[in-house]
Amino acid sequence: SAVISQKPSRDICQRGTSLTIQCQVDSQVTMMFWYRQQPGQSLTLIATANQGSEATYESGFVIDKFPISRPNLTFSTLTVSNMSPEDSSIYLCSVVGEDGEKLFFGSGTQLSVL
Amino acid sequence: GESVGLHLPTLSVQEGDNSIINCAYSNSASDYFIWYKQESGKGPQFIIDIRSNMDKRQGQRVTVLLNKTVKHLSLQIAATQPGDSAVYFCAENMGDSWGKFQFGAGTQVVVTP
Repeated sequence: SAVISQKPSRDICQRGTSLTIQCQVDSQVTMMFWYRQQPGQSLTLIATANQGSEATYESGFVIDKFPISRPNLTFSTLTVSNMSPEDSSIYLCSVVGEDGEKLFFGSGTQLSVL
Repeated sequence: GESVGLHLPTLSVQEGDNSIINCAYSNSASDYFIWYKQESGKGPQFIIDIRSNMDKRQGQRVTVLLNKTVKHLSLQIAATQPGDSAVYFCAENMGDSWGKFQFGAGTQVVVTP
C-alpha cells in the first residue's frame, strides 16, 4: 500500500481563519480523496481531488469552503476556509491502491476551531 | 450496529473470545466492501475486503461475511486480543467511481482481560 503523509497532524485555529492541509503520497496515484470525520462520527467524503482539473465535490460540500489543489499525482491540499467551531473534525486524505480497488488513508489532521 | 448521535455502539469482548461486528449497508448495487480498524488518533487501517460475488472471505484471524439478500456485512475476529480494541467501520463502494465509499456508523470494540 502507498505511504500517505499528512501535515499538520493537528492544529488549533481561531474562527474566521483558514487552514491548509497537505497530503503527500510516496508513489503516483490516479485517485485521491478527502474525507471528514466529525467527533465521534463516521467518515464522510468531501471531494475527489482530480489532477489537472477542478475537484469534484459531494453533496453538502462546496469549493468556496473547501478549496482543493492537486498539482501532480503525488500531492494534494485541502483548505478549510473561514472556519467555525462546526469545522472541528479529523480531515483524512486517502488514495486508491495499485489494484484500483482498496482505499488507504493517511493518519489524518485533527482540527479544533475555537 | 447503528449509531445514534455521538454515541458509537460498543462491543465488549473478553480477551480470547471471538468478536462479531455487524453492519447494514444501504445500496443494493454496491459491489465492493471494506472493513477498517481505527485506533485513537490514527487514520482508518484496511483490514479485509470482499466483492459482491462472494459471501465469505477469510484473512488472518478475521472473516468477513456478506449477505446481499438483507444487505448485511459482518466481521468476525477470532481469539480477540487487547490490540484489537478500536473502532471498526464497514464501507461500501458508492458504485459510480472507485475510491468513493460510504461508511457505516462504526462500532467501538473494547477488549477486557
